[in-house]
Amino acid sequence: EVRLVESGGGLVQPGESLRLSCVASGFTFSTYTMNWVRQAPGKGLEWVSYITRSSSFLHYADSVKGRFTISRDNAKNSLFLQMNSLRVEDTAVYYCVRDSGFAFEIWGQGTMVTVSS
Amino acid sequence: QSALTQPASVSGSPGQSITTSCTGTSSDVGGYNLVSWYQQHPGRAPKLILYEDTKRPSGVSNRFSGSKSGNTASLTISGLQAEDEADYYCCSYAGDTRWVFGGGTKLTVL
Repeated sequence: EVRLVESGGGLVQPGESLRLSCVASGFTFSTYTMNWVRQAPGKGLEWVSYITRSSSFLHYADSVKGRFTISRDNAKNSLFLQMNSLRVEDTAVYYCVRDSGFAFEIWGQGTMVTVSS
Repeated sequence: QSALTQPASVSGSPGQSITTSCTGTSSDVGGYNLVSWYQQHPGRAPKLILYEDTKRPSGVSNRFSGSKSGNTASLTISGLQAEDEADYYCCSYAGDTRWVFGGGTKLTVL
């Protein structure tokens, strides 16, 4: 079974950092580009970041550029999102998503990040 | 990057068909054949139901279909069923490895 399982969410104060993880199973992780997509409470979806199979290319939404860093460890079938200088508006469920080149094909169950003082 | 425009809500009775829209620009929806649609039930992760404007992933019901004209894409659900009640999001490639989503449409099955 193809599966993505996120972890690392929690409650932090503005300005603090958090590192999200996503473990993949049921497919050859190293052959897929991967993304993070988030959803603020009661709001729509927002693409956050993208990483190619070999980590050659990284891309970010303007809203997180310079604060978030995406990375992966193909040997451990894992995707990461290092989030620094967190803001209240970063509060959201963060989804790890497998990219098939034409759409966001497989989604994890999400991990909640709450930024609040 | 501005979000794509979707109506906030749409409704239909069981057995009927509904069509909902997703409007962008020539830089996203109209510029690429890369519109996808996602279904999201409350408390659940989104699920891909259409990609490349009109294609269905394996296992998705053929009651779901997509089309596009200019800068507007559309999702049609035929033979509405109670289980179709959910939020539906469109998404388009917007160039330079960026993706933009619509605000979502809540489908109510009356």
